[in-house]
Amino acid sequence: EPEVTQTPSHQVTQMGQEVILRCVPISNHLYFYWYRQILGQKVEFLVSFYNNEISEKSEIFDDQFSVERPDGSNFTLKIRSTKLEDSAMYFCASSDSWVEDSTDTQYFGPGTRLTVL
Amino acid sequence: AQRVTQPEKLLSVFKGAPVELKCNYSYSGSPELFWYVQYSRQRLQLLLRHISRESIKGFTADLNKGETSFHLKKPFAQEEDSAMYYCALSGYGNKLVFGAGTILRVKS
Repeated sequence: EPEVTQTPSHQVTQMGQEVILRCVPISNHLYFYWYRQILGQKVEFLVSFYNNEISEKSEIFDDQFSVERPDGSNFTLKIRSTKLEDSAMYFCASSDSWVEDSTDTQYFGPGTRLTVL
Repeated sequence: AQRVTQPEKLLSVFKGAPVELKCNYSYSGSPELFWYVQYSRQRLQLLLRHISRESIKGFTADLNKGETSFHLKKPFAQEEDSAMYYCALSGYGNKLVFGAGTILRVKS
């Protein structure tokens, strides 16, 4: 069964450094998402992406964050200048359609644990 | 505003006992509700969604719009049901809003 994959599984970085988290969505999916979960807190939506542009973003997703689909398979989340509070588990998800008034199932990757020192 | 509340952080039951994981939501429109499960060291995976009205692994959930609830139930818990369970809501747009999660521990 196809799965969403994410690399790396764990990333350690120094405050102020740039990080890129990588995701390979399920191959025929068209909608891509990033969520994050700070330790002990809820899973929070960051951004959704469709047709090479952001379709929705949360207030967490400020100018320090960006997403890109650089080729036909990868979907990346970049944090330009990491802060201590960016330490979290970052989940990528994908879905194959969005029908008006309905939500298609989102399939999640295993997550990347980001630690900012 | 969209909000999901799971009041219990931990629910501990004996094998064979009934299980009810509570979920309440706040949303002004017509939401879609989901239950996701995360087994130890595995990814989040969809357990069920209210529009499909099916039973997965013996679990069911009914959307009660009057009480704004979507509680997850299973008549007889099994040890392999031990996991973290997240209730999630999708309103306008495609984003999921998650509850804090409930750890279900099934004791033998």
